[in-house]
Amino acid sequence: GAVVSQHPSRVICKSGTSVKIECRSLDFQATTMFWYRQFPKKSLMLMATSNEGSKATYEQGVEKDKFLINHASLTLSTLTVTSAHPEDSSFYICSARDFLSYNEQFFGPGTRLTVL
Amino acid sequence: GENVEQHPSTLSVQEGDSAVIKCTYSDSASNYFPWYKQELGKRPQLIIDIRSNVGEKKDQRIAVTLNKTAKHFSLHITETQPEDSAVYFCAAIQGAQKLVFGQGTRLTINP
Repeated sequence: GAVVSQHPSRVICKSGTSVKIECRSLDFQATTMFWYRQFPKKSLMLMATSNEGSKATYEQGVEKDKFLINHASLTLSTLTVTSAHPEDSSFYICSARDFLSYNEQFFGPGTRLTVL
Repeated sequence: GENVEQHPSTLSVQEGDSAVIKCTYSDSASNYFPWYKQELGKRPQLIIDIRSNVGEKKDQRIAVTLNKTAKHFSLHITETQPEDSAVYFCAAIQGAQKLVFGQGTRLTINP
């Protein structure tokens, strides 16, 4: 089946620093990638949708200057949390879809971000 | 936009009994309804899905039913086992657009 990886799996950083999270589709070309945030005991909330070679589309309430998304190739998307604060601590999960899967999204294993 | 409501938020059943989780959606144009199982600290795992042209789908102990008229769909797990304990999410999507998730149900199977 389609495999999506994320790196790193866990990251701890100091307040004010920036953190980059990578999402890769390992055995398929991801025309679209999605970034979700999940707080403890809560559901997945979509942050943004990115199509390869295009600017990401952000959901209402998500600051695009704080959460920078780059989808430069069909197998890699990155999420950079800039000037991180403790309230940005969360579980960040990416998913990917190719033109064949149409509806189905394949999820990465997630990245646990802790901002001190 | 689409809105998905999921109930109950927690569900506890005895091992061997059945568990049912229900979801409603608001957008009648939604045409794909997946169910995910998520264990603590892990990614959501697709366990079953159904498309709007089908009323029911079954895969071993898991089944999903869809009522398009009422705009609700349900997950049924029969002969529950301890390893079924997890958080379950329903979701809905229209066309190739974004998934909208329900709030989640924490299922506990008591031995």
